[in-house]
Amino acid sequence: GAVVSQHPSWVICKSGTSVKIECRSLDFQATTMFWYRQFPKQSLMLMATSNEGSKATYEQGVEKDKFLINHASLTLSTLTVTSAHPEDSSFYICSARDLRQEGYNEQFFGPGTRLTVL
Amino acid sequence: LAKTTQPISMDSYEGQEVNITCSHNNIATNDYITWYQQFPSQGPRFIIQGYKTKVTNEVASLFIPADRKSSTLSLPRVSLSDTAVYYCLVGWPGSSASKIIFGSGTRLSIRP
Repeated sequence: GAVVSQHPSWVICKSGTSVKIECRSLDFQATTMFWYRQFPKQSLMLMATSNEGSKATYEQGVEKDKFLINHASLTLSTLTVTSAHPEDSSFYICSARDLRQEGYNEQFFGPGTRLTVL
Repeated sequence: LAKTTQPISMDSYEGQEVNITCSHNNIATNDYITWYQQFPSQGPRFIIQGYKTKVTNEVASLFIPADRKSSTLSLPRVSLSDTAVYYCLVGWPGSSASKIIFGSGTRLSIRP
């Protein structure tokens, strides 16, 4: 199946700094990617939909100025956590659908990025 | 988006068949039912998808009754490595922008 990668796999940063997480579709193109956040023992929470060449669509309650999303190409979306604080510590996961499989609802998920803010 | 309800947790033993049922009373005509598996500190992995009746692949079977208001994921002869969280999702696969909203999932624990 299609492969989605994330970089870095884990990151530790100081409070107040910004962290960028990359999500890449390795062998397919994706006009749309999705970003999720998952706290320990909880389900995945959709944060935003990343659209190639346009602004991201954020879910209710997600601060767009806090979580900056850029989708500059059909294979890359980035999530930047600005001025990170300890409460932003979480597991961030991206996903994408293969354009070649339009109509088939399999989304491919990245391996996730563990963010720890000290 | 149709809401799904699953048991929070289930326990079983190696070699047993495990059936996890998901309720989705408000499923729409165009919606498909998809199951994902997630191990700790990993992204979810697609298991199986179906629209009606029965679907089977090398990993699992999915049973969907005629009214489609529920579905059952069947894992044959589970092993310790099947210990994971299983998510039932309902949605329309009509476009690449179709969102996937995760429910609480079922935490499956397999014992020796």
